[in-house]
Amino acid sequence: AQSVAQPEDQVNVAEGNPLTVKCTYSVSGNPYLFWYVQYPNRGLQFLLKYITGDNLVKGSYGFEAEFNKSQTSFHLKKPSALVSDSALYFCAVRGYNFNKFYFGSGTKLNVKP
Amino acid sequence: GAVVSQHPSRVICKSGTSVKIECRSLDFQATTMFWYRQFPKQSLMLMATSNEGSKATYEQGVEKDKFLINHASLTLSTLTVTSAHPEDSSFYICSARGPSGGQETQYFGPGTRLLVL
Repeated sequence: AQSVAQPEDQVNVAEGNPLTVKCTYSVSGNPYLFWYVQYPNRGLQFLLKYITGDNLVKGSYGFEAEFNKSQTSFHLKKPSALVSDSALYFCAVRGYNFNKFYFGSGTKLNVKP
Repeated sequence: GAVVSQHPSRVICKSGTSVKIECRSLDFQATTMFWYRQFPKQSLMLMATSNEGSKATYEQGVEKDKFLINHASLTLSTLTVTSAHPEDSSFYICSARGPSGGQETQYFGPGTRLLVL
C-alpha cells in the first residue's frame, strides 16, 4: 500500500533560520515523491519532485528536498526561511497506479519575523 | 510550468440546485484530470479521475450520480454537483497530469469554494 506521513501538524521557525518539514513514505517499488505548497484559499503549487537520480532535489523558491531510501524519508528544507514561506505544505507519493497521488496530512509552516 | 485554471473560484447556491465547476489546462493538453475535495484543515481526498473521451473513474464512497464528471476535450473537464446540499460545501480542486515530458507530475488549479445554503 502507498502512504505518506507528515508527523508534524505545524512547524514554527524564525525568519532567516533554516527550516525542515518532514515526510516519510511507504510505497511498493520505486517512489515518485512530490512536495506541494498551498496558500489560503488557493490550490496546490508544485515545488519539487524526486523521480530518480541525485538524492538532493532542488525546487522552486529556494526549497530543496533530500531523498533518503534507507529511512524512507523525503524531508523538505530551506536554508533561510522567509515570512512569505508561511503556508501549508503537502508531501505526496505517486502510487503504483499511475493516476493516483497519495497526500500526507499537511504541515502548516509558520515563519515569524 | 503547466497552468490549470478553475471557474468559478467561489460559488454560493441554494440547497437542491446544481453547480458546475470547470477545470481547464491552459497551455497543454490533459488527457487525464483529477478532482479532489478538501475539508478545512485536512488533506486532499481524491474523488475521481477524469479521462478525455471516456467515463470517469470514481473513488470508493463517491456518488457518481451526484458528482457528474465530463471530460469533453483535451483541455476541459467539468464537475457538476447535482442537487447540492449543505454537506457538499467544501473546497474542490482539480488537477491535470502534466504535458509530455512531465506526465508524472500533477498540476493543480486554484480551487473552487462551494457553499450550499
